[in-house]
Amino acid sequence: NAGVTQTPKFQVLKTGQSMTLQCAQDMNHEYMSWYRQDPGMGLRLIHYSVGAGITDQGEVPNGYNVSRSTTEDFPLRLLSAAPSQTSVYFCASSRSLGQQTYEQYFGPGTRLTVT
Amino acid sequence: AQTVTQSQPEMSVQEAETVTLSCTYDTSENNYYLFWYKQPPSRQMILVIRQEAYKQQNATENRFSVNFQKAAKSFSLKISDSQLGDTAMYFCAFMKPRGGTYKYIFGTGTRLKVLA
Repeated sequence: NAGVTQTPKFQVLKTGQSMTLQCAQDMNHEYMSWYRQDPGMGLRLIHYSVGAGITDQGEVPNGYNVSRSTTEDFPLRLLSAAPSQTSVYFCASSRSLGQQTYEQYFGPGTRLTVT
Repeated sequence: AQTVTQSQPEMSVQEAETVTLSCTYDTSENNYYLFWYKQPPSRQMILVIRQEAYKQQNATENRFSVNFQKAAKSFSLKISDSQLGDTAMYFCAFMKPRGGTYKYIFGTGTRLKVLA
């Protein structure tokens, strides 16, 4: 049981490039989300999904796209990278509503630098 | 909109002593969940403790306990017998299920350093 995995661990992009951060979980969790962590700002929600085919925006969605074609995978796409997107990105998953723990399981994070 | 405030950006404590990290939140909801997560230098986020708002009893997990004051909207974390391995960033988080979905709101974190 690998939990939540993220690839890559580190990435450097040039302004304007696009890329996809991968996230996968093997716990059959319905709920998955993406956060960015910046110094002094905590974790801010980018996008989230409550199940395959269902996604919604969080607090800071601009410049990012997501899709959820399977329960296991929730990739985050940067369409045209900007220096303001330099951050550490975390993917997390948790059980669906009705399974009452609501604990989030986090991946190890991806450190992204945009030059 | 809900907000979570951690007013102590940094704290330090001597090994074996007790420290309390503060967290306040703003909500008009009655039923919600509160969490403390720990992020050590490895960057991995780990759940420390969870509190359901409908429960009056404060949650406890070994050396970690909370002081949940619902009326005051306060959710502080007490770490007893601090250990060097407790050195980490600590995040308070709020979650309210709504309309078939739910979102977490995190505070800005408190960096705790345990001194030998």
